[in-house]
Order: sequence, then structure tokens, then C-alpha cells
Amino acid sequence: ETGVTQSPTHLIKTRGQQVTLRCSSQSGHNTVSWYQQALGQGPQFIFQYYREEENGRGNFPPRFSGLQFPNYSSELNVNALELDDSALYLCASSFHNYGYTFGSGTRLTVV
Amino acid sequence: KNEVEQSPQNLTAQEGEFITINCSYSVGISALHWLQQHPGGGIVSLFMLSSGKKKHGRLIATINIQEKHSSLHITASHPRDSAVYICAVRSRGASNFGNEKLTFGTGTRL
Repeated sequence: ETGVTQSPTHLIKTRGQQVTLRCSSQSGHNTVSWYQQALGQGPQFIFQYYREEENGRGNFPPRFSGLQFPNYSSELNVNALELDDSALYLCASSFHNYGYTFGSGTRLTVV
Repeated sequence: KNEVEQSPQNLTAQEGEFITINCSYSVGISALHWLQQHPGGGIVSLFMLSSGKKKHGRLIATINIQEKHSSLHITASHPRDSAVYICAVRSRGASNFGNEKLTFGTGTRL
């Protein structure tokens, strides 16, 4: 299987709720990274996972957390959602940070 | 000041025009990526550069490591080239590859 698949594609949540976004890695890739893209802005690095451990993090609070599974797929969890969390969330897989393949993103709206 | 700056922010071109998008960065990098993002949000990787020049069809990307500058050129632009073009740099935070991350520019809307 090729390509990176993200689910769901769109999601509406209420402030204070929790959300889990999912990402499958491209076959052969062992690293996954997550990005938040606000409207009209470039993506911002949230964190990266390699061998099921977080090994790099951007300027995001602890309520943003993640998991990577043995098959290299990944989850992004956000607790206590805030209105400013509304954004496009992108996941990218790579092999040791080379040759990134991006998913189509999950558009999260917090109301 | 952003670590990655792109110009112009918006660009309108006539079909067939040669266009250039510029990217300047202020950090040490291990590679620079040019990405294309369509209105639906999905991102496609166009080029990964660590030196010199790469060409793919009507797209050409160049990088000058000493000047910390890269350009993306589209020769003979076409309506299907309409998208947001994003420059992203891969920087190494620590000695092991695992701490590398991508830092993105804000994009150029063509």
C-alpha cells in the first residue's frame, strides 16, 4: 500500500472536548510527524515519532499528544479543545526524515 | 522574524509565463523541500534539495547554501499550476537524525 491516509477528513468538535486523529504511514516509512496549519499560514511542527517514541516536539502544549504503533501508523490526540485549535492537521511519513509523504489532512473545527 | 521567508505571498501569471518563487531561511539546514498544496489541503512534495539544482518537467528548483536562498521556477506556467507553493527546511536539532524537523514558510499562492 502506498501513500499516507488520514482520518477523518473533516471533524467538528465542541470546546473542551477531546479528539483523536489518525494517520497511516507509507509502506517502508518508519517516522511520522504531525503539523498544524491555521488558515492562511504555513504548517507548524507539532511533534515527530520514531520507533513508537516521541523524538522531537514543536511549541505545543502537553494537551497535544501522540502515539505511534508497531505498524508505524500514528494518532494525534488533543485534549481540552480550544477554539484556536481549529486548523488543518497534516501528517507526514518518512524514512529517517528523508522523502516526506504527506496525507491530505484532517480539517478540525472547534465550536 | 520567521526562520523561513517566502516571496511573493501572492502571484498572478498569464498562461505561458516564466515565474519564480523565492525562499530565504536563517537556520542551518540539512535539506530544503518545495511542496505544492492544493485547495483541498493535501501536500505533494515537488523537490528535496541539499545543493545545486533539480529539474522535473516544467519545474526547476535551485539552492544556494552559502546565501541561504532557494528558488522555484515554473517555465511556461499553466492554469493547472494554480496552488500554494511552500518552502520547508529540514533542520537538525541534535546530533541524531531523529530530532530533525521541517519548518515551513507561509507559502506563495499562485
